[in-house]
Amino acid sequence: DAGVIQSPRHEVTEMGQEVTLRCKPISGHDYLFWYRQTMMRGLELLIYFNNNVPIDDSGMPEDRFSAKMPNASFSTLKIQPSEPRDSAVYFCASSLRRYKQFFGPGTRLTVL
Amino acid sequence: SQKIEQNSEALNIQEGKTATLTCNYTNYSPAYLQWYRQDPGRGPVFLLLIRENEKEKRKERLKVTFDTTLKQSLFHITASQPADSATYLCALEGETSYDKVIFGPGTSLSVIP
Repeated sequence: DAGVIQSPRHEVTEMGQEVTLRCKPISGHDYLFWYRQTMMRGLELLIYFNNNVPIDDSGMPEDRFSAKMPNASFSTLKIQPSEPRDSAVYFCASSLRRYKQFFGPGTRLTVL
Repeated sequence: SQKIEQNSEALNIQEGKTATLTCNYTNYSPAYLQWYRQDPGRGPVFLLLIRENEKEKRKERLKVTFDTTLKQSLFHITASQPADSATYLCALEGETSYDKVIFGPGTSLSVIP
């Protein structure tokens, strides 16, 4: 298996623009997680899905953030409008159970 | 609120020695505690999981202990090698699907040849 795939790997955008991050989990995994990592706040869970259903989105910072999982092999995290404070590395992870998560390579987002 | 603390300072040790990393938590009763390794520019990689009813777990040169009374886990790397240099994260998880996974801030380990 290729592991968790994320795209793009790097994204530079201007404040106010819409940003869409994409994730393909490992086939057969039931859980999908979106995290954000910064030096100041560490690794923060934003939202996670079980069998394509959002279970906990309490980590989503505000209404500008939204996530979808239309099927078992694809998920998106959208920020609209983006702000400079959204600059971070965003990770997607998947797992068969909630523990032992497999992380993707991350998307480094820079909002100017 | 729930809080996880790891070694506040980066850890530098000599090759061949045992590295010991600490994870302390408050206001949480985890069913599982996990350790991950993260290299620069990469996502975390799962290393070990220990359950609340287990005291110790081993995997090759790695050993994890879990003391639910002290609310602490210790992560040991024996016979450390420069390739072990990385950031190590502990993560707590509850029993149900509604318990959020919480990651600690990580400890940076450097093994000096």
